Amino acid sequence: AQSVSQHNHHVILSEAASLELGCNYSYGGTVNLFWYVQYPGQHLQLLLKYFSGDPLVKGIKGFEAEFIKSKFSFNLRKPSVQWSDTAEYFCAVKGYNTDKLIFGTGTRLQVFP
Amino acid sequence: NAGVMQNPRHLVRRRGQEARLRCSPMKGHSHVYWYRQLPEEGLKFMVYLQKENIIDESGMPKERFSAEFPKEGPSILRIQQVVRGDSAAYFCASSPPTSGRNLYEQYFGPGTRLTVT
Repeated sequence: AQSVSQHNHHVILSEAASLELGCNYSYGGTVNLFWYVQYPGQHLQLLLKYFSGDPLVKGIKGFEAEFIKSKFSFNLRKPSVQWSDTAEYFCAVKGYNTDKLIFGTGTRLQVFP
Repeated sequence: NAGVMQNPRHLVRRRGQEARLRCSPMKGHSHVYWYRQLPEEGLKFMVYLQKENIIDESGMPKERFSAEFPKEGPSILRIQQVVRGDSAAYFCASSPPTSGRNLYEQYFGPGTRLTVT
């Protein structure tokens, strides 16, 4: 069955700490991968996406993610988090020939000053 | 350019009533998607529509749920005879007409939080 697993449900960090959020997917075939962020009280916004080419993808606000095909992973990273990064982060996968996104359960990140 | 708009933002219904959720896609977008987020779960795909057509409804419950995207006006997700288990956040997303399957992204609205009492 197609699925996305986000291992960390709740992450608490201090400002300037490094961040890595795990995402693994189960999907047969070519995929497109996405990370969305939902800040408190706001709608989901796209952080970054992978379609093809360089497996290291850079997104907005200093985030990046690396697609490792052999591990079916698309982990999100940021070298130094800020208080304003406090939000919920969702990993999603889309099959190449479909239009629906399959989401993970999300990771709630809290960053303390 | 206004984003995806959803209304109402919060909706309270008693068991057995009908719920109507509306979604206006971004300007120029002709594809609409509905997702449901149950408490402590991720977003689950429900249905994908283009103007006047349902393209993929594989995530829609078989009964009580329907969706439409008429030629004019917003997309409507309709839930008849609501039950407590329908309480969730319902998100709409839109995307532009695609020239290639790897060239688009979905833009999300703020969601409608449905509470069934």
